[in-house]
Amino acid sequence: AQKITQTQPGMFVQEKEAVTLDCTYDTSDQSYGLFWYKQPSSGEMIFLIYQGSYDEQNATEGRYSLNFQKARKSTNLVISASQLGDSAMYFCAMRELGMDSSYKLIFGSGTRLLVRP
Amino acid sequence: NAGVTQTPKFQVLKTGQSMTLQCAQDMNHEYMSWYRQDPGMGLRLIHYSVGAGITDQGEVPNGYNVSRSTTEDFPLRLLSAAPSQTSVYFCASSQPGIPPLHFGNGTRLTVT
Repeated sequence: AQKITQTQPGMFVQEKEAVTLDCTYDTSDQSYGLFWYKQPSSGEMIFLIYQGSYDEQNATEGRYSLNFQKARKSTNLVISASQLGDSAMYFCAMRELGMDSSYKLIFGSGTRLLVRP
Repeated sequence: NAGVTQTPKFQVLKTGQSMTLQCAQDMNHEYMSWYRQDPGMGLRLIHYSVGAGITDQGEVPNGYNVSRSTTEDFPLRLLSAAPSQTSVYFCASSQPGIPPLHFGNGTRLTVT
């Protein structure tokens, strides 16, 4: 069964420092995508970054990057130069990309990040 | 650039009442889905649709109905509201096999 595990319920980071949020996943499918979403206190779900299972390079989007280790089934989110506005809940999610299964995301339970000034 | 639009943003119901949460997307996406988010948990899939006229159950479908008569709209109906349905509801849309899912801003529902 597909599963996403985020083992850090809460994290603190000092402003301008880097932080790593952990995520491991379990799937028997060969073709899948891994996502990170940010949910600020206002409640909306903001897409941050995506990694495909066949991508050879780690994904990067501005200050966000992924440390994707396929053999270990982990996809950790690295936020560089943390800003106060990065304080939010962060969700890791997985989507199998087969045509008959790509309709859904499986979410982890989230990590609440608090950036200290 | 509306994307995915959900209405209402907030709703309070009494136990036993029914209501419909609206979701519309203007990106011509084939896939649409409803998730609920409870405290301390990630989002869980309620129902989904892979195209107009096609719907199916997700992980937590009990107490909810959906229909998809057009590509754009995917309403979620609560048949007889229960306190256990107090949650935040998100609608999402996407193309098959193409990331990411695009989410609406959510509906916060309280059932008393």
